[in-house]
Amino acid sequence: DSGVTQTPKHLITATGQRVTLRCSPRSGDLSVYWYQQSLDQGLQFLIQYYNGEERAKGNILERFSAQQFPDLHSELNLSSLELGDSALYFCASSVASGIINEQFFGPGTRLTVL
Amino acid sequence: GQSLEQPSEVTAVEGAIVQINCTYQTSGFYGLSWYQQHDGGAPTFLSYNGLDGLEETGRFSSFLSRSDSYGYLLLQELQMKDSASYFCALTAGGFKTIFGAGTRLFVKA
Repeated sequence: DSGVTQTPKHLITATGQRVTLRCSPRSGDLSVYWYQQSLDQGLQFLIQYYNGEERAKGNILERFSAQQFPDLHSELNLSSLELGDSALYFCASSVASGIINEQFFGPGTRLTVL
Repeated sequence: GQSLEQPSEVTAVEGAIVQINCTYQTSGFYGLSWYQQHDGGAPTFLSYNGLDGLEETGRFSSFLSRSDSYGYLLLQELQMKDSASYFCALTAGGFKTIFGAGTRLFVKA
């Protein structure tokens, strides 16, 4: 158990819908990262927050947005969903940001878009 | 842009030693990390190299040569439970974390 929690574990929805994925980092971690992993693919970095501020942005679609709240939990919002958005979405956290890169991953949210 | 290349699959025998290579291209480099992911599970951190040389953690070692833009993960005394996917990941300029496509390691009895 990494100490990172993600809800829900599974999500099934239809094209065009909007969903929100939630992540709680390990106690004391200030950085939160979001990743997308499609079937048998690597991890695509989406976005990173550090202490409430956006720190780095990867290949995140405009239909996707995220935020980190004052209590450090984070939410990833996916809208106008398409079939290709079906994937495993991981949240990870780390103590700091940048160079120190030991990230602790949550169990993931499996999103299925029908 | 940034990219990493690693072999898609490696097969080895229980008790053997296996090396998984990773080459990268990036502008702005802070370090190379390695993660293990079992099927259906989440990635777990194995090691980090910020400087050239070898880092050893039990049966696992990781090496980095920044001049060659190259690193590798060395797994010794292979066990069946080491069958998993292994990802190299770099922290690049702008603090982005870029993962390789992963290497599936099959350990045979």
